[in-house]
Amino acid sequence: AQSVSQHNHHVILSEAASLELGCNYSYGGTVNLFWYVQYPGQHLQLLLKYFSGDPLVKGIKGFEAEFIKSKFSFNLRKPSVQWSDTAEYFCAVTKTQTGANNLFFGTGTRLTVIP
Amino acid sequence: GAGVSQSPRYKVAKRGQDVALRCDPISGHVSLFWYQQALGQGPEFLTYFQNEAQLDKSGLPSDRFFAERPEGSVSTLKIQRTQQEDSAVYLCASSPGRTKTYEQYFGPGTRLTVT
Repeated sequence: AQSVSQHNHHVILSEAASLELGCNYSYGGTVNLFWYVQYPGQHLQLLLKYFSGDPLVKGIKGFEAEFIKSKFSFNLRKPSVQWSDTAEYFCAVTKTQTGANNLFFGTGTRLTVIP
Repeated sequence: GAGVSQSPRYKVAKRGQDVALRCDPISGHVSLFWYQQALGQGPEFLTYFQNEAQLDKSGLPSDRFFAERPEGSVSTLKIQRTQQEDSAVYLCASSPGRTKTYEQYFGPGTRLTVT
């Protein structure tokens, strides 16, 4: 069955540390890939997305993600985190070759950045 | 501009009661999605509308769940005879286009607690 795995459930970092959050998906066909972020008390909002082309995509607030097709991965990175990056991060996919438009989400990774 | 709004934000229901959750999408958005997010999990797809047509309801967990969008804008998710396992945050998202390449904009959610 289709699944999206985020292996890090809770990550705690100090400000200025580098961040990498893992995301793997199990669907064998072509996918669109997304990272959503939910800041405390706020809505889910799109951080970045990948549809095709350059596998390294850049999003808002200095985040980037790299699609590695051979590893079925779409890891999120940021070279230097800030306290304001404290949030929950969700990886999600849509399947391009089916009629379904919905997102399949991972279970999320909670990031806590200590000032 | 106005984003996706949902009401009520919190709902407590006694087991067996019926509830109705409302979603006001961004004006002009064609696509509307409902997701269910259990505690500690990522959102899971329930149903999808394109204008007033419900094109996918494969994620609805039982026939107690019913959704409608009669005029292609506001949508209501109804849960009949609520059970404790229905306790979750119900998220609504809208999207300006018909394809999966469009970003989904999420509302704040309705937290349903069934006692």
